[in-house]
Amino acid sequence: DIQMTQSPSSLSASVGDRVTITCRASQDIGNALAWFQQKPGKAPNFLIYDASSLQSGVPSKFSGSGFGTDFALTISSLQPEDFATYYCQQHKSYPITFGQGTRLEIK
Amino acid sequence: EVHLVESGGDLVQRGGSLRLSCAASGFTFSSYWMSWVRQAPGKGLEWVANIGQDGNDKYYMDSVKGRFTISRDNAKNSVFLQMSSLTVEDTAMYYCAILPCCTHMQLSVAYWGQGTVVTVSS
Repeated sequence: DIQMTQSPSSLSASVGDRVTITCRASQDIGNALAWFQQKPGKAPNFLIYDASSLQSGVPSKFSGSGFGTDFALTISSLQPEDFATYYCQQHKSYPITFGQGTRLEIK
Repeated sequence: EVHLVESGGDLVQRGGSLRLSCAASGFTFSSYWMSWVRQAPGKGLEWVANIGQDGNDKYYMDSVKGRFTISRDNAKNSVFLQMSSLTVEDTAMYYCAILPCCTHMQLSVAYWGQGTVVTVSS
């Protein structure tokens, strides 16, 4: 199985800050990576596919990068609505696996 | 607009069975792989199972193999998850989802239902 490890597990930041969340795969997954945002009590929202492609309708403040085993999600100019939990997901091989999540909190 | 509506979640005793349903609308259902993903209270997302467009290809996470069965009815735009021999560890919100995976067309697609709650009591 491919393990996805996110860091940090939690992150405190202020409105206006720029933050980066990383996701490491236990083996090469190419660009078979997606990013999701989840707010409490809600289903996840789709942000990024193919590691770096922005899903339609998602603000350009979100960007993804990486290939192989190391990936990153960067959020610029944080706004109150961006404080949520973020997950990476690989689909290179079964079982499909998610990272454990990164909780982004307001400082 | 894509809609995925889950139903069938309930409180069930350990060792019991439950069948979850997901009604889909707003897209060509038979063109997509469908998934079930779960989330235990306060925990992260966990993929459970996938089923291919014609229902012939199925994949499961290890801990549910032999206990859960995913199926679909393309005539009724529905996907199902039959769960048996339930354990306390199966307690979770279960989401029906289209995940970015499986086919070139689907790589840029993701939709989720609002979920249905399964609680397994000891």
